[in-house]
Amino acid sequence: GAVVSQHPSRVICKSGTSVKIECRSLDFQATTMFWYRQFPKQSLMLMATSNEGSKATYEQGVEKDKFLINHASLTLSTLTVTSAHPEDSSFYICSAGTSGGGDEQFFGPGTRLTVL
Amino acid sequence: GQQLNQSPQSMFIQEGEDVSMNCTSSSIFNTWLWYKQDPGEGPVLLIALYKAGELTSNGRLTAQFGITRKDSFLNISASIPSDVGIYFCAGQQTGTYKYIFGTGTRLKVLA
Repeated sequence: GAVVSQHPSRVICKSGTSVKIECRSLDFQATTMFWYRQFPKQSLMLMATSNEGSKATYEQGVEKDKFLINHASLTLSTLTVTSAHPEDSSFYICSAGTSGGGDEQFFGPGTRLTVL
Repeated sequence: GQQLNQSPQSMFIQEGEDVSMNCTSSSIFNTWLWYKQDPGEGPVLLIALYKAGELTSNGRLTAQFGITRKDSFLNISASIPSDVGIYFCAGQQTGTYKYIFGTGTRLKVLA
């Protein structure tokens, strides 16, 4: 149980394009999902908290207009990197909690974004 | 963003040795999680701790929630080559669903 999937696993795009990443909880409902970014050899940095049916809560320094988050249902959250630039290249990982966002968090396999 | 201090940053050990790593903070946490991350993959949950002083095991792994609620440690006994990876602690503060991650401990096991 508590399986989280992400799609795509890898994406390469040209600078200026937008990229959408999907995060799904496969066997449980997730009222809250979290989006992280991880640069090489660094830890996970929380970008935003995605709430089903309401606006996402962004961490300080994260541009909400650049990283659009939509939590359309209890099993799906999407992160859209708009007008991507090379500095947006990173490993993006989502997680979901099994009880309203608290307690344990289970992570997806991550999405490697490379912007040329 | 805020991160938890994790040590050691990296370590090389011989197969069969025990490993210990810890995570410290100046803030109080009400939940501690320990994860292992392999290259190119998402973190996998190893152990969850919910009470100060709690000691929990998962196979060869043992983790404890510090009495002060500001630290936690993870022990791996009789390490094997597949223990190689990066280990992260994550703490959840009272009144928030968010987790703050440690800086990571990179473990390398020499056969």
